[in-house]
Amino acid sequence: RKEVEQDPGPFNVPEGATVAFNCTYSNSASQSFFWYRQDCRKEPKLLMSVYSSGNEDGRFTAQLNRASQYISLLIRDSKLSDSATYLCVVNPSGGYNKLIFGAGTRLAVHP
Amino acid sequence: DTAVSQTPKYLVTQMGNDKSIKCEQNLGHDTMYWYKQDSKKFLKIMFSYNNKELIINETVPNRFSPKSPDKAHLNLHINSLELGDSAVYFCASSQGMGGGQETQYFGPGTRLLVL
Repeated sequence: RKEVEQDPGPFNVPEGATVAFNCTYSNSASQSFFWYRQDCRKEPKLLMSVYSSGNEDGRFTAQLNRASQYISLLIRDSKLSDSATYLCVVNPSGGYNKLIFGAGTRLAVHP
Repeated sequence: DTAVSQTPKYLVTQMGNDKSIKCEQNLGHDTMYWYKQDSKKFLKIMFSYNNKELIINETVPNRFSPKSPDKAHLNLHINSLELGDSAVYFCASSQGMGGGQETQYFGPGTRLLVL
């Protein structure tokens, strides 16, 4: 079983749609969770951290369910510029900053 | 100004050659990383250095040798290149190494193709 698993997509949605991505992780002792965004042929960039209480940043909402080892990202009112690959990322330990990346979920927003 | 920079951006070379990739960060961070993103798009950590000290070494073949001359630079030297080394190599940096919530900032990547 992969350490971090995501549906690769692609998710093809019209502008204005709401879309949700899910991710599961295998290490129950994992400490920190993130969503990164990677545009085609570019470097990954941090989109948001994911906290146990859930957190929101504008149109983006991230949720964590430790019992089910499940992380989600909700994007509301999708924009064309949201088209990218969204990477679910887990730090399995509270010590070293070692990130485990999922393979990513591709989102394509069309007019 | 570029925060994390890598050179070269593209590298095409023959099997068996030795090559180096350089990384520099001007963020004043203490920790730097090398990642490999293969053709299936999995991004995997290879090495991490904190203040020039190796702290993460993820079972990478010893043909790969990182070197950190100072905390702003982390270079990657690859000996005897193999076809399977073809990938995008990303350098990253973070302020520190602990706590687990450190944001990592990535360089633009070096696309290596081994023929």
